[in-house]
Amino acid sequence: ELKVEQNPLFLSMQEGKNYTIYCNYSTTSDRLYWYRQDPGKSLESLFVLLSNGAVKQEGRLMASLDTKARLSTLHITAAVHDLSATYFCAVDGAQKLVFGQGTRLTINP
Amino acid sequence: KAGVTQTPRYLIKTRGQQVTLSCSPISGHRSVSWYQQTPGQGLQFLFEYFSETQRNKGNFPGRFSGRQFSNSRSEMNVSTLELGDSALYLCASRLGTGTTYEQYFGPGTRLTVT
Repeated sequence: ELKVEQNPLFLSMQEGKNYTIYCNYSTTSDRLYWYRQDPGKSLESLFVLLSNGAVKQEGRLMASLDTKARLSTLHITAAVHDLSATYFCAVDGAQKLVFGQGTRLTINP
Repeated sequence: KAGVTQTPRYLIKTRGQQVTLSCSPISGHRSVSWYQQTPGQGLQFLFEYFSETQRNKGNFPGRFSGRQFSNSRSEMNVSTLELGDSALYLCASRLGTGTTYEQYFGPGTRLTVT
């Protein structure tokens, strides 16, 4: 059974700092997603990673995928308050997505 | 191109009642999946429909059911509501079934059971 684990689950950062969220999964998959969720809202797609070594960047966020280690990372550079949200990784297990627990990110001025 | 739409957006029901939620996928998408999000259990897969057939089902009791129509619109039904059914229900659509196709999520339906 596919399992997805994120860490940390809670992260409080200061603006301007860098940090990384980790996503480990238990079985091979062709596709990994990163989503952002604001309180009371739906999931906003950030990145779709398809192959080993894939790296994607958008603004202050960069995601990477190592399929051999079954690990994806979401790196935040020079954090700003607007990035405060919950971030989920999800692994595509053929006919369903299996989500990590989510990382609640709070960025303080 | 219009995104995934879900109706209603908010719903309040009483224990023991039943509820039907609706999802219209992106035009041309034939696969619709449903997910439940609760603070305690996180995001969990309910079921996927493709071409009016249920392809996969998550670990939920039989009170949770769904269907898909010929135009790919999908409904999910929860009978005999329990307090624990209070959740955000998310629908996602994709072009086809399988990992080749990216999933796109709708805005969700917030169900509150009192």
